[in-house]
Amino acid sequence: NAGVMQNPRHLVRRRGQEARLRCSPMKGHSHVYWYRQLPEEGLKFMVYLQKENIIDESGMPKERFSAEFPKEGPSILRIQQVVRGDSAAYFCASSPTQNTEAFFGQGTRLTVV
Amino acid sequence: AQRVTQPEKLLSVFKGAPVELKCNYSYSGSPELFWYVQYSRQRLQLLLRHISRESIKGFTADLNKGETSFHLKKPFAQEEDSAMYYCALTPGATNKLIFGTGTLLAVQP
Repeated sequence: NAGVMQNPRHLVRRRGQEARLRCSPMKGHSHVYWYRQLPEEGLKFMVYLQKENIIDESGMPKERFSAEFPKEGPSILRIQQVVRGDSAAYFCASSPTQNTEAFFGQGTRLTVV
Repeated sequence: AQRVTQPEKLLSVFKGAPVELKCNYSYSGSPELFWYVQYSRQRLQLLLRHISRESIKGFTADLNKGETSFHLKKPFAQEEDSAMYYCALTPGATNKLIFGTGTLLAVQP
């Protein structure tokens, strides 16, 4: 099992462009969590998805951010019209059920120039 | 408000010295507490959780509800313990974690 795979590892976008971050959970895991880590801060919860459903999006900014976890394929975190303040490391984690250990990916470092 | 505080950004000790990484939390209910570790160039991984009350790699952590603390301790630090350590809590049986800002542990030879 290759673990949680995130790609790309590094992403550079100009202000106003769209950023798409992908997360492939571990095999057999149907629960996915996205976290954001701004410079000098801890990881902050963004959204929790279970196949095709958003369970908890209380940490998602109200505008420009969306997430999905389709029946087939990876989970996608989409940021539209990126701004400099979106520059951060975005981590994905997955678990087989909602209360078992979640395993983290290596993260995607987004830089907005 | 739910919060996890790690007061030290950096903790530097010599090999063989005792280590204590501090973690305090603010939560009105009964949270689950965790320590995560991130070694250089590796992904974040669970080190230990308070409900299992186990020792991993020589590390232990005791939940003190009176002081709302969950400090991570090891009696004798090793160079391979050098890493970033994050304390985290979850309000219930979910993986919606609230993280502290992390402490970088540097163990000098």
